[in-house]
Amino acid sequence: GENVEQHPSTLSVQEGDSAVIKCTYSDSASNYFPWYKQELGKRPQLIIDIRSNVGEKKDQRIAVTLNKTAKHFSLHITETQPEDSAVYFCAASTGNQFYFGTGTSLTVIP
Amino acid sequence: DAGVIQSPRHEVTEMGQEVTLRCKPISGHDYLFWYRQTMMRGLELLIYFNNNVPIDDSGMPEDRFSAKMPNASFSTLKIQPSEPRDSAVYFCASTLLAGAYNEQFFGPGTRLTVL
Repeated sequence: GENVEQHPSTLSVQEGDSAVIKCTYSDSASNYFPWYKQELGKRPQLIIDIRSNVGEKKDQRIAVTLNKTAKHFSLHITETQPEDSAVYFCAASTGNQFYFGTGTSLTVIP
Repeated sequence: DAGVIQSPRHEVTEMGQEVTLRCKPISGHDYLFWYRQTMMRGLELLIYFNNNVPIDDSGMPEDRFSAKMPNASFSTLKIQPSEPRDSAVYFCASTLLAGAYNEQFFGPGTRLTVL
């Protein structure tokens, strides 16, 4: 089955700086790559996703890039704010099942 | 729509007791997923259903765990007997239709503590 690895496991940045989280996957059949944000004590919620026919997608301060050849994708958050502090999960899907990474705990220091 | 509903939100039980977690997916969603979240293992898929039929239960840790979906609006995850290592947050999620490009909507989770 699919194996998704996510790095780093923890990340601290100063407010206003950028944050980058990277994920790799193993199954070349994966064609959908969502990112979820989970605030402390709350449920994971989708923040951005990318499909395999797209190399980059941007939504305001967040962007995701995908390299299908290398089987990796990344989340970029620019101009970080304290409310960006949360755990971020990447995922890969070949169909209806989703394989999640182990999560990155992001702390934005005011 | 109220979103995915889970109950109870918190459950504290003693080792050996039976635990039943409940989930109501978003109306019209054909897929339902059960996940377990721990600090050590992150978010693990336990089982998922399509149109009330279990499709993949390879993530169910052992025979003590069982899941059912008797109809499109209700699913249960049962642990019998429970053990301290089952302590975790259990999430239910649902998604619309087939295909990969569908957001999973998570419920609020059930925090289970087994003493």
